[in-house]
Amino acid sequence: EVQLLESGGGLVQPGGSLRLSCAASGFTFTSYAMSWVRQAPGKGLEWVSGIRTTGSTTYYADSVKGRFTISRDNSKNTLYLQMDSLRAEDTAIYFCAKDHQRYSSGGNDAFDIWGQGTMVTVSS
Amino acid sequence: QSVLTQPPSMSGAPGQRVSISCTGSSSNIGAGYDVHWYQQLPGTAPKLLIYANNNRPSGVPDRFSGSKSGTSASLAITGLQAEDEADYYCQSYDSSLSARLFGGGTKLTVL
Repeated sequence: EVQLLESGGGLVQPGGSLRLSCAASGFTFTSYAMSWVRQAPGKGLEWVSGIRTTGSTTYYADSVKGRFTISRDNSKNTLYLQMDSLRAEDTAIYFCAKDHQRYSSGGNDAFDIWGQGTMVTVSS
Repeated sequence: QSVLTQPPSMSGAPGQRVSISCTGSSSNIGAGYDVHWYQQLPGTAPKLLIYANNNRPSGVPDRFSGSKSGTSASLAITGLQAEDEADYYCQSYDSSLSARLFGGGTKLTVL
């Protein structure tokens, strides 16, 4: 079964850091670009960051650029999101998502598999 | 305000047809980038409904269809059922922002 399982969410103070993980199984992880998408409470979806198959190319939304770092460990089939300088507006459920096409450039593709999400709350 | 504009809410009676619009611009949908659609039931992760404008993943009923023209796209649902009550999101890519975008979402109520 194709599956993504996020972990690492929690409560953190403004200015703090958190590292999210996403364990992938049931598909050839090394063949697919991956992304993080978040959803603030009661709000819509927002793409946060993406990474291509080898990890050498990464993309960020302007709202997180310079504060968040996406990475992947293909030997562990795991995607990461290091979040620094966290703000109240970063409070959201964070989903990891898999690109639909193999070896996509990560720009125009759909997300065909989503994890269940992990909640991040930034509050003092 | 989202770059991709969707109506915040829509409703329809069981058996009816509804169409949800997604309006963009020349830097995203109008530039030829594909539009994808997702269904999100309350308390769950989004589910891919339509990819590349008008393609259904395996398992998605043919009651759901997508289309694209110019700077807009639409998701049509025919034979509306109670289980279709959910939030629907369109998604594309914007070359000016160099970012993947979601529409603001449409809450569909089945009367």
